[in-house]
Amino acid sequence: EAQVTQNPRYLITVTGKKLTVTCSQNMNHEYMSWYRQDPGLGLRQIYYSMNVEVTDKGDVPEGYKVSRKEKRNFPLILESPSPNQTSLYFCASSKIGLAGSNTGELFFGEGSRLTVL
Amino acid sequence: AQSVSQHNHHVILSEAASLELGCNYSYGGTVNLFWYVQYPGQHLQLLLKYFSGDPLVKGIKGFEAEFIKSKFSFNLRKPSVQWSDTAEYFCAVMENQAGTALIFGKGTTLSVSS
Repeated sequence: EAQVTQNPRYLITVTGKKLTVTCSQNMNHEYMSWYRQDPGLGLRQIYYSMNVEVTDKGDVPEGYKVSRKEKRNFPLILESPSPNQTSLYFCASSKIGLAGSNTGELFFGEGSRLTVL
Repeated sequence: AQSVSQHNHHVILSEAASLELGCNYSYGGTVNLFWYVQYPGQHLQLLLKYFSGDPLVKGIKGFEAEFIKSKFSFNLRKPSVQWSDTAEYFCAVMENQAGTALIFGKGTTLSVSS
């Protein structure tokens, strides 16, 4: 079954304690992205990756890091979490189209709800 | 920077009522347009998309959307909603030349009462 898998689904942590949210897709997609969803703000892109070892900042990258060492995995790292990073996080992936750009047809993971105290 | 506006924050309808959710975007060039749906407690799923051609596109579950280039709009419609359509709906736009980011609107919550 084609899917994007995120872990953990729920996490409560404290300020400053490093954490990693994993994301894995089994569709051989080149493009992967992280979004955060906050009430009234919709989805905002944190980081994206067009392929292995190619990552770039989205709209709200501050406080986050990513890596893309393998095509299927795109972990999100919070080096020193703060309460303003309390949010619902979604990982998404898609194919790269013939024009070399993201097709926009994103497959989303189930989401990871993070609370930072 | 490109932006996407969804006019309605929360829409409440009775079953069988007709639905239209507004979406406008700011980019003046060629775009790809999408509507995503998020059912309660679930992840986002693609509802329909427009890349080119017929500006009236049909998606899953009886939804359709019309691209009006002159109005920079991509409104979502359904003639008769069901209770199971209760969800949050997101309009999204991608500049198809850049293709690095899908810009989402803030979402519209649809509540359908039976």
